Amino acid sequence: TQLLEQSPQFLSIQEGENLTVYCNSSSVFSSLQWYRQEPGEGPVLLVTVVTGGEVKKLKRLTFQFGDARKDSSLHITAAQPGDTGLYLCAGDSGNQFYFGTGTSLTVIP
Amino acid sequence: GAGVSQTPSNKVTEKGKYVELRCDPISGHTALYWYRQSLGQGPEFLIYFQGTGAADDSGLPNDRFFAVRPEGSVSTLKIQRTERGDSAVYLCASSVTGTGVSPLHFGNGTRLTVT
Repeated sequence: TQLLEQSPQFLSIQEGENLTVYCNSSSVFSSLQWYRQEPGEGPVLLVTVVTGGEVKKLKRLTFQFGDARKDSSLHITAAQPGDTGLYLCAGDSGNQFYFGTGTSLTVIP
Repeated sequence: GAGVSQTPSNKVTEKGKYVELRCDPISGHTALYWYRQSLGQGPEFLIYFQGTGAADDSGLPNDRFFAVRPEGSVSTLKIQRTERGDSAVYLCASSVTGTGVSPLHFGNGTRLTVT
C-alpha cells in the first residue's frame, strides 16, 4: 500500500489567517490531486498537479507538487468560513488513486 | 447532466446479512472506483473497473466483498455475511479515462450501518 500522510490531521483557525496543509509519501506519483469534502457529500476536485515543482493557484489556494513528485502542499491565504471541510490529497500510481489520511479544517468566523 | 448516483443513501442491516450497494456513474465514463471511508479519514481504495473488467481489486478486504459492472456502466458492490466492522460510508467515483489527469467524480456515498 502506498501511504500518503497528511499533516496536520486537524486544524482550527480564525477567519483571515493563513494555513498550509502537507501531503507526504515515500512513493513517486505520476500526478497528484487535491479534493475538498463536506459532510454528507463526496470529495470534489480542486486541482491536479502533474509536473515536479509545479505550482498552481486557484484564487486564495496555492498548490505545489514536490520536485521528486512524492509530496505536495496546499496553502490557503486569508481563510474564510466557506473553506471549512476535509481536505484530501490523492496520488495516481497508474492503476488507482491512493488517498491521503485527510486534514479537517475549521475556519471560525 | 447527472452526476454519480449511489443508492441507497443509507442502509442499516443486521450482522450476518447480505447487502448490495449500487453506483450509477456519469454516462460515458469508462473508469469506476469503489472506496470505503470512515469518519474524518481519507477514502480507502477497494476496487477499480476499466469498462466491464476489474482492473485492480487489491483493496477488497476479504472474500466477503465482491463487485460487478456487467455492462460497463452501473456497478454493484456486494457484501456477504456483514460484520459490524463493515460499517462505513461506501463511495463510488467515475472518471472519463482513469488516468491521473482525469478527475474523479464522486457520488454522495452509501452510509452502511451493521448492527
